[in-house]
Amino acid sequence: SQQGEEDPQALSIQEGENATMNCSYKTSINNLQWYRQNSGRGLVHLILIRSNEREKHSGRLRVTLDTSKKSSSLLITASRAADTASYFCATAGYSTLTFGKGTMLLVSP
Amino acid sequence: EAGVAQSPRYKIIEKRQSVAFWCNPISGHATLYWYQQILGQGPKLLIQFQNNGVVDDSQLPKDRFSAERLKGVDSTLKIQPAKLEDSAVYLCASSSGTGITEAFFGQGTRLTVV
Repeated sequence: SQQGEEDPQALSIQEGENATMNCSYKTSINNLQWYRQNSGRGLVHLILIRSNEREKHSGRLRVTLDTSKKSSSLLITASRAADTASYFCATAGYSTLTFGKGTMLLVSP
Repeated sequence: EAGVAQSPRYKIIEKRQSVAFWCNPISGHATLYWYQQILGQGPKLLIQFQNNGVVDDSQLPKDRFSAERLKGVDSTLKIQPAKLEDSAVYLCASSSGTGITEAFFGQGTRLTVV
């Protein structure tokens, strides 16, 4: 079964705009991770946030985590056409890594 | 550092045939995952190894799927016999350390069952 649920399922924006994706999950976690997948390729790790952290930054990425609401958000600032991809949240429990269904992001020039 | 290697990249088989996928994880990574990703969906964990022991295979259809990780390094995932609904991308990933850390993925094997 898939633990995380991303919202929205699809997002279309213009270059330069910010993109926000949300992830909700059901059970307690050790950490939460975000991955990117370009069409036809494997997944690439973007960022990991631990359960005792509330916010984390990496370049143009900002991730927040609210364990009381069992939710996380990924913000991509100043989007570029190259950011077009599917984005997945993955929850890490005690022993394994479970992925959500993903958000498809389209950034138009 | 070499990444996770998977082969073949593409495979087309007829239903009821058998197929095998191979994965070579990053050197020194103790954890190895096999995920199935159906078009338009997120990856679904099939099996997870810690060294050569199975951590989780609760979603592996054991009547037709099998996997092994010999000597705690390379791994093979087999499907026998294949069904149409097995058409998907099969992703292998590996990670190091204790706990669940960053996973490194291979490019995947795209299986089409006709």
